[in-house]
Amino acid sequence: DTAVSQTPKYLVTQMGNDKSIKCEQNLGHDTMYWYKQDSKKFLKIMFSYNNKELIINETVPNRFSPKSPDKAHLNLHINSLELGDSAVYFCASSQELVGVVGSPLHFGNGTRLTVT
Amino acid sequence: KNEVEQSPQNLTAQEGEFITINCSYSVGISALHWLQQHPGGGIVSLFMLSSGKKKHGRLIATINIQEKHSSLHITASHPRDSAVYICAPIQGAQKLVFGQGTRLTINP
Repeated sequence: DTAVSQTPKYLVTQMGNDKSIKCEQNLGHDTMYWYKQDSKKFLKIMFSYNNKELIINETVPNRFSPKSPDKAHLNLHINSLELGDSAVYFCASSQELVGVVGSPLHFGNGTRLTVT
Repeated sequence: KNEVEQSPQNLTAQEGEFITINCSYSVGISALHWLQQHPGGGIVSLFMLSSGKKKHGRLIATINIQEKHSSLHITASHPRDSAVYICAPIQGAQKLVFGQGTRLTINP
């Protein structure tokens, strides 16, 4: 069973479109995250949700909006896509907040977004 | 200067060699993750530690919070260890700050 699953795996779209990436975890974790990995392979936190409540919102354009309908899901909606949004987006989850020792991160397999 | 510096950035070794990857950070942290990113792109958490040393199989991670330094060691390296290894200190309770990764290639 996949612990953290993201869909789609690949997403190719044109500038200006609106798209969503879905994430679901079946681990019963309370905290979920979205990370972005750019073309230079740097990972950066975008959002963190704990029990459906937004905890971290880094300096991400407001075209990006996370939505957490329940603890097991954290979807990422992106409006008016731009070329610079091309990256790999990773969803992750942990039982507690990421700084709590003994609460490891579990990552999804990533969604490669290409904006043309 | 990045908040997190890993060295080396690239490392190629022969099977069986002892591998060390270093991570230095400038921010105050509560703990640190070591992550492994496979060639296919998937990311796995190897260790989370806040002090001392942890061992899992052939992998050993150490951290010195006062010196702001952590190391990841691989004993008896194997080609399947080939991956990118990422150091990720935790600022405060919630925020991971990522190193740029060390690309490790183990040749048979």
